[in-house]
Amino acid sequence: DQQVKQNSPSLSVQEGRISILNCDYTNSMFDYFLWYKKYPAEGPTFLISISSIKDKNEDGRFTVFLNKSAKHLSLHIVPSQPGDSAVYFCAASEGSNYKLTFGKGTLLTVNP
Amino acid sequence: EPEVTQTPSHQVTQMGQEVILRCVPISNHLYFYWYRQILGQKVEFLVSFYNNEISEKSEIFDDQFSVERPDGSNFTLKIRSTKLEDSAMYFCASRVSGGTDTQYFGPGTRLTVL
Repeated sequence: DQQVKQNSPSLSVQEGRISILNCDYTNSMFDYFLWYKKYPAEGPTFLISISSIKDKNEDGRFTVFLNKSAKHLSLHIVPSQPGDSAVYFCAASEGSNYKLTFGKGTLLTVNP
Repeated sequence: EPEVTQTPSHQVTQMGQEVILRCVPISNHLYFYWYRQILGQKVEFLVSFYNNEISEKSEIFDDQFSVERPDGSNFTLKIRSTKLEDSAMYFCASRVSGGTDTQYFGPGTRLTVL
């Protein structure tokens, strides 16, 4: 059951460059999408979210894009910083209960 | 900034023993969740809780699991008879009402079943 897929297990970028993390989903009933960052031995930390009625949401260095027709979302981090190095999870929810379905995560490494 | 807290950070138990994992959600939040992450796998939903009752549970959340909000601040997950495969990180999350979907997670409890 892979309703949320993050096909890249890892990504490496240079400091100052753009990081683009991708996520695909199969459940067309998902109506809210979130990105979380996770460091080892810590809980997921909320980064940014987007409702299905929007196609873009921006918060500082982080922008999330949603393409509903392609069932695809992406997280852009510009400029990338070494402190951004972590595992990034894409998550989605549907309906009123808001339980989250997570992807497997992408390990981002930002090299100085 | 308010945060979700969890205790203990690490619990080691023998197979067949009962464990209780504790969480203190953010104080004005009304929806509570438990998730788990087995090593190397994705974070999985276990159960959601609202208005003193379970609102949804996953297939994982069988009769060995139970949740409780014993007072106005704590939210607990009990595993009655632990199995080896229950070894995982358990995360508590909470959400404020009012339509926002953002859940805030605690740091997790690492459960090791021997």
